[in-house]
Amino acid sequence: DAGVTQSPTHLIKTRGQQVTLRCSPKSGHDTVSWYQQALGQGPQFIFQYYEEEERQRGNFPDRFSGHQFPNYSSELNVNALLLGDSALYLCASSLGRYAFFGQGTRLTVV
Amino acid sequence: DQQVKQNSPSLSVQEGRISILNCDYTNSMFDYFLWYKKYPAEGPTFLISISSIKDKNEDGRFTVFLNKSAKHLSLHIVPSQPGDSAVYFCAAIYTEHYYGNQFYFGTGTSLTVIP
Repeated sequence: DAGVTQSPTHLIKTRGQQVTLRCSPKSGHDTVSWYQQALGQGPQFIFQYYEEEERQRGNFPDRFSGHQFPNYSSELNVNALLLGDSALYLCASSLGRYAFFGQGTRLTVV
Repeated sequence: DQQVKQNSPSLSVQEGRISILNCDYTNSMFDYFLWYKKYPAEGPTFLISISSIKDKNEDGRFTVFLNKSAKHLSLHIVPSQPGDSAVYFCAAIYTEHYYGNQFYFGTGTSLTVIP
């Protein structure tokens, strides 16, 4: 079992650009959540996808959007990047209470 | 508004001694709590959890204690080993979000176990 995989592992973007991050959930998991972890902070919930729909959303602006595909994989899109979007972005898949996290994508906005 | 707080950013403990990591929460709706461990360049990994109907859960060297009246939980690691050195996150969820698994995380405590 490959677990939760995220790509890319590192990314550098310029302010104002757009970025897409990808996540493949653990085998058998149908729910995918995205978290942003800023330096020195705990992960903050962005949103969650189930059955290809956004089911819950945290306190993040509309610049953050996502998608879930029929195979349960997911994308996180961020438009009009700001310097403050620099963070580790974590994907978590779940089936029940326990969430399994990927290794994250380190996004740096310059 | 930080609903889950870990007030100690770091902790150093000698190998073989007990490590105690603390976590406080403000939302009385939380009914399930988890501890995650994170190594650099890796995602958080699940360590141990506790339901709000219990006050203690033990798994090998790891024990989590919950004091609902104080809205406080702690993770005890006995004996501590150098491989336990990592950042530990406390997380909480509540049943309304059960299916959603929206975790509320603390800011983490960096544990260093000194050989």
